This record gives sequence, structure tokens and C-alpha cells, in this order.
Amino acid sequence: DIQMTQSPSTLSSSVGDRVTITCRASQSISNWLAWYQKKPGKAPKLLIYKASTLESGVPSRFSGSGSGTEFTLTISSLQPDDFATYYCQQYHSYPFTFGPGTKVDI
Amino acid sequence: EVQLLESGGGLVQPGGSLRLSCEASGFTFSNYAMYWVRQAPGKGLEWVSVITGSGDSTYYADSVKGRFTISRDNSKNTLYMQMNSLRAEDTAVYYCASRSGTIKPLDSWGQGTLVTVSS
Repeated sequence: DIQMTQSPSTLSSSVGDRVTITCRASQSISNWLAWYQKKPGKAPKLLIYKASTLESGVPSRFSGSGSGTEFTLTISSLQPDDFATYYCQQYHSYPFTFGPGTKVDI
Repeated sequence: EVQLLESGGGLVQPGGSLRLSCEASGFTFSNYAMYWVRQAPGKGLEWVSVITGSGDSTYYADSVKGRFTISRDNSKNTLYMQMNSLRAEDTAVYYCASRSGTIKPLDSWGQGTLVTVSS
């Protein structure tokens, strides 16, 4: 199985900050990488797929990059609605493993 | 608009069984693979299982293999998860999710149903 890691596990930030989260895969997954936002009591929300493609309706302050084994999610200017936990997920091969999550808080 | 509605969660004793359902609408259900993902209290997301659109192929996480069975009834637009030999560590919110094509990952999600395994 492909293992996913994320760093940092927690990010203390302020509104307006530029935030970068890193995700690493244990083997190459090309660009089969997705980013989700998760808030308590809510379903996960797809933000980015194929490493860098923004899902429809997602604000342009979110962006993704990377390929192979190293990927990043960047929020260019953090907004109050962005305080949440972010997960990467590989969908190169089953099982579609998630990273452990990065909590972005104040 | 894709809608996914889970049901069937509840409190069950260790060793017991439960069947979750996920009713789908807004898309041609039989055309798409369907998934179950769970989140234990205070933990991260865990991918659980997938079933192809036709139902002829399935895959499971090692943590549930041999205990959980995913299935679907395309005539009823409904996905199922039969959970047997439940353990305390299966306590989680269970989400069903769909994938609208091979390029995208899981792009539509239900709101989840809580399963609590406790005596």
C-alpha cells in the first residue's frame, strides 16, 4: 500500500497569511493526488485534484503543485472560512490512502 | 445535483453486526464506482472500500477485510456496507462517496452516519 505523510500536523496562522502544506507519498503516484478540506460535522470537500486542478467553485486562493512523491497545497491569503483540517489523498492505486491531516487553526 | 444520503448507523455491541445504506440521486448510479470512507472520533479520514459500477469488483482496506462487505443495488440506486464482527475501533462516522470519472477522486460525499461499537 502507498503511505501518505503530511507536514506540519498543525499550523497556527492568522487571517491573510500565506499557508503551505506538504504531502509526501511513499512511492511515485504521478499526479494522482487530491486535497480535501474537512470541518467538524461536515463531509470532506474536494479542493484540488490531479495535484493542481482546482475543483469547480473552489476559491482561487487555493492552489496545488507537485508530482511524483512530493506535493504542496498553498492558500495564498487565509480567510476565516479556511480554518479547518486538510487531507491529501492518493488515487493512483487501491487503497486510496489519505494523509494524516493538517489542522489549520488560529 | 448529486445527493448521497447515508443511513443505518447506531449503537452496536462488540462482535455485533450492522448494515449501512447510502441512497444516491442526481446521477446515473450504475455508471460509477462507489466508496465508503470513515473517520473515527478525533482521528483522520480512512478509506474503507470501493465497488465498481456493475458491482463485479470490490476492494477493502486491510482493517476491515473479511469483516465488511460492500454491495450495491443499481435498481434502487443504493450502496450498502454489511459490517460484521464489529470492534470498538470501528467506531466512526461512515461516509459514502462517489467519483464522477477516472480523472477526479471522490468528488461527492454524503453527510455521514455514526456507528458506535460499545458494550
